[in-house]
Amino acid sequence: DVVMTQSPLSLTVTPGQPASISCRSSQSLVHSDRNTYLQWFHQRPGQSPRRLIYQVSKGDSGVPARFSGSGSGTEFMLRISRVEADDIGVYYCMQSTQWPITFGQGTRLEI
Amino acid sequence: QVQLVESGGGVVQPGRSLRLSCAASGFTFSSYGMHWVRQAPGKGLEWVATISSDGYTFSYGESVKGRSSISRDNYKEILFLDMSSLTAADTGIYYCAKFAGVPGAWGRGTLVVVSS
Repeated sequence: DVVMTQSPLSLTVTPGQPASISCRSSQSLVHSDRNTYLQWFHQRPGQSPRRLIYQVSKGDSGVPARFSGSGSGTEFMLRISRVEADDIGVYYCMQSTQWPITFGQGTRLEI
Repeated sequence: QVQLVESGGGVVQPGRSLRLSCAASGFTFSSYGMHWVRQAPGKGLEWVATISSDGYTFSYGESVKGRSSISRDNYKEILFLDMSSLTAADTGIYYCAKFAGVPGAWGRGTLVVVSS
């Protein structure tokens, strides 16, 4: 199975400051179709997850531009350019390049 | 807009079976593979099962393999998950999710509690 390792597991950020979360995979996430199926989700307390980023760097519908994704191969990053209070919760990366689909452990963001 | 609404959760005794449903709307359901993901209390996300858009191909997570069945009704636009031989380890919120295309979507989840 592809192991997804996030870091840090928690971070505290001042509103208006940037934040970054790393996600490393134990194997390359480049699919035979040349796409990389790495997604990022945000789960606010008591809510279901919401997708922020798909295919490494593509923002989902309605996601603020201050969220961005980058990376390739086995190293990926989610960046929040200016953190807002509404950004609290847990962030997960997920790969669907290889079966089984696997998630990172989650990174808790606090303000 | 895209909506996924799960149902079928509840309190079930160990060893019993359960059928979860997910009603989809706001997108062409028959065009997308669909997924079940669960979350144990206070824990992270765990992929459970996936079914292809036509319903003929499926995959299961190791923890449910052999005692679960994912299916879909593309006419009624409903996704199902049948689980048997339930144990306390199956307790959690079960979400159906759409990962392909834009937008991605998750339902609000349905809570399953396995307890005597």
